[in-house]
Amino acid sequence: KAGVTQTPRYLIKTRGQQVTLSCSPISGHRSVSWYQQTPGQGLQFLFEYFSETQRNKGNFPGRFSGRQFSNSRSEMNVSTLELGDSALYLCASSAYGQGAGELFFGEGSRLTVL
Amino acid sequence: AQSVAQPEDQVNVAEGNPLTVKCTYSVSGNPYLFWYVQYPNRGLQFLLKYITGDNLVKGSYGFEAEFNKSQTSFHLKKPSALVSDSALYFCAVRAARSGAGSYQLTFGKGTKLSVIP
Repeated sequence: KAGVTQTPRYLIKTRGQQVTLSCSPISGHRSVSWYQQTPGQGLQFLFEYFSETQRNKGNFPGRFSGRQFSNSRSEMNVSTLELGDSALYLCASSAYGQGAGELFFGEGSRLTVL
Repeated sequence: AQSVAQPEDQVNVAEGNPLTVKCTYSVSGNPYLFWYVQYPNRGLQFLLKYITGDNLVKGSYGFEAEFNKSQTSFHLKKPSALVSDSALYFCAVRAARSGAGSYQLTFGKGTKLSVIP
């Protein structure tokens, strides 16, 4: 079974631009979550989707948004990029309703904002 | 609110020696507890979980973790460390009954494990 796939793996943007990151979950997983990882703040929860509905949202400004499609693939968008948005963005999928709902992570998208 | 504390930023251990990476948690109600490992420039890999039942949980790559409800701890252990175990380890928690069916995890800051040859 293929794992969680995130694209692109690396990207460089400049302040003020916007970026869209993509995530394809493990086949059959309908729950997708996004986390931001930085050296200073560690892993911070961004959002969680299930069946195209946002179930939960972390404490991030409105510049951060996401969505989930009918095939469970998810995208997140960051508009008006700031230097502090430089981070590793991790997507995770889960088989909702089964077991403890452990998350399975992708390799991440490393965003550098110049 | 739930939280996780990993009191050691770094743990050094000699190859072949037992290792312990510490984790304490705070959550309302019963916890679901997880350990993940992260290698450089990679995502997080699931190691093991505690849901209920036996306090000693066995996971991948020879790792195990001991759940202690009275001490609200979930320490990660391995009897004999390998150099290849060197990585960043994260403990995570969520309440067994999460609001709106959310699977959101709260992570600790991570502990860097270095296994010295």
